[in-house]
Amino acid sequence: AQSVTQLGSHVSVSEGALVLLRCNYSSSVPPYLFWYVQYPNQGLQLLLKYTTGATLVKGINGFEAEFKKSETSFHLTKPSAHMSDAAEYFCAVSGTTSGTYKYIFGTGTRLKVLA
Amino acid sequence: NAGVTQTPKFRVLKTGQSMTLLCAQDMNHEYMYWYRQDPGMGLRLIHYSVGEGTTAKGEVPDGYNVSRLKKQNFLLGLESAAPSQTSVYFCASSTRQGIFAGANVLTFGAGSRLTVL
Repeated sequence: AQSVTQLGSHVSVSEGALVLLRCNYSSSVPPYLFWYVQYPNQGLQLLLKYTTGATLVKGINGFEAEFKKSETSFHLTKPSAHMSDAAEYFCAVSGTTSGTYKYIFGTGTRLKVLA
Repeated sequence: NAGVTQTPKFRVLKTGQSMTLLCAQDMNHEYMYWYRQDPGMGLRLIHYSVGEGTTAKGEVPDGYNVSRLKKQNFLLGLESAAPSQTSVYFCASSTRQGIFAGANVLTFGAGSRLTVL
């Protein structure tokens, strides 16, 4: 079975500072991993995903994540935070049961960017 | 291109009332999902469908029913609403095409906020 753990339900950073949002996963098979972002009163939208190959994945808005199999982690980073990055971020893993893929989400990390 | 549309966006119910949330997608996606989002709990899968006429239970199916009579629509029903069902409900869809079928991206609707008094 797959599971996702996001460390820190709330993270605050200053504008221009490094953003680091942590995600650890559990999967019995090679995982597909995702980061989604949710802006206030909106649905989730994809930031980036890992399928196979290169372990450093680049996404939209300057975000990237690195898949580390040995650490079962998929942490999200951005070198310099912008006020518009304030949102809730969800890590997700996709796994299959009997050939049907389901997506398991973490509990989310709310990012606050301080001026 | 509308993507995934959920109706209604907001609804207030009294305990014991019934209602149906409608999800419609225009991307010809095979898979559709209903999630609920609660503070501190992330998104939890209620039910899902892998194709027209098929449905399956997710993590938290109790108190909900679903139907997928048409490929583009996925309905979520509450037969007898309870305060514990106060939540924001999200519908999502994805294709099953591609080599890495499990890596297909979910497209989400904007959500339906339900309050049960």
